[in-house]
Amino acid sequence: AQSVSQHNHHVILSEAASLELGCNYSYGGTVNLFWYVQYPGQHLQLLLKYFSGDPLVKGIKGFEAEFIKSKFSFNLRKPSVQWSDTAEYFCAVTGNSGGYQKVTFGTGTKLQVIP
Amino acid sequence: SAVISQKPSRDICQRGTSLTIQCQVDSQVTMMFWYRQQPGQSLTLIATANQGSEATYESGFVIDKFPISRPNLTFSTLTVSNMSPEDSSIYLCSTRQETYTEAFFGQGTRLTVV
Repeated sequence: AQSVSQHNHHVILSEAASLELGCNYSYGGTVNLFWYVQYPGQHLQLLLKYFSGDPLVKGIKGFEAEFIKSKFSFNLRKPSVQWSDTAEYFCAVTGNSGGYQKVTFGTGTKLQVIP
Repeated sequence: SAVISQKPSRDICQRGTSLTIQCQVDSQVTMMFWYRQQPGQSLTLIATANQGSEATYESGFVIDKFPISRPNLTFSTLTVSNMSPEDSSIYLCSTRQETYTEAFFGQGTRLTVV
């Protein structure tokens, strides 16, 4: 069974601090990986995704994530956070073997950025 | 991309009653999904709803408790039946075309059962 672990449940940072949110997955095959963000009062929306190719993927708003296959990880990073990055972040995984594959989400990390 | 409208956005319901949540997509989609997000927990898939067929439920979820309709390619409903306080949660509608695309979500329905 596939699973996703997000180690940080609640992170508090000052503006301009660097961010790294951990995500580890368990899946017996090739994967697609996602980070979603949910700003207060808004829909879940895609931040970035990895399907294949360059393991370092860049998303919106200066976020990036690196897929390290040997570590089953897909950590999210941002060099300098802003107050507007306050949100909840979800890592997700799905299989990559064709057809429809179920999406499994992590428990989420709440990020609070202090001005 | 797909824009999903979900309603109601929130509701407070008496135990023993039922609530139907509606999900409207701005384009035709094959698959629609219903998730539950309990406080402090991950999004948990309740069921997958394909137009013209019975919904497929995940382990721990049954049709009698969470009946789903999918009358056409742009609309679905989820009913939470015979509610108890344990059903208090956020319910999310989602769609995704196929493996190689991301999922899109409605804004969620925050349900409180008293």
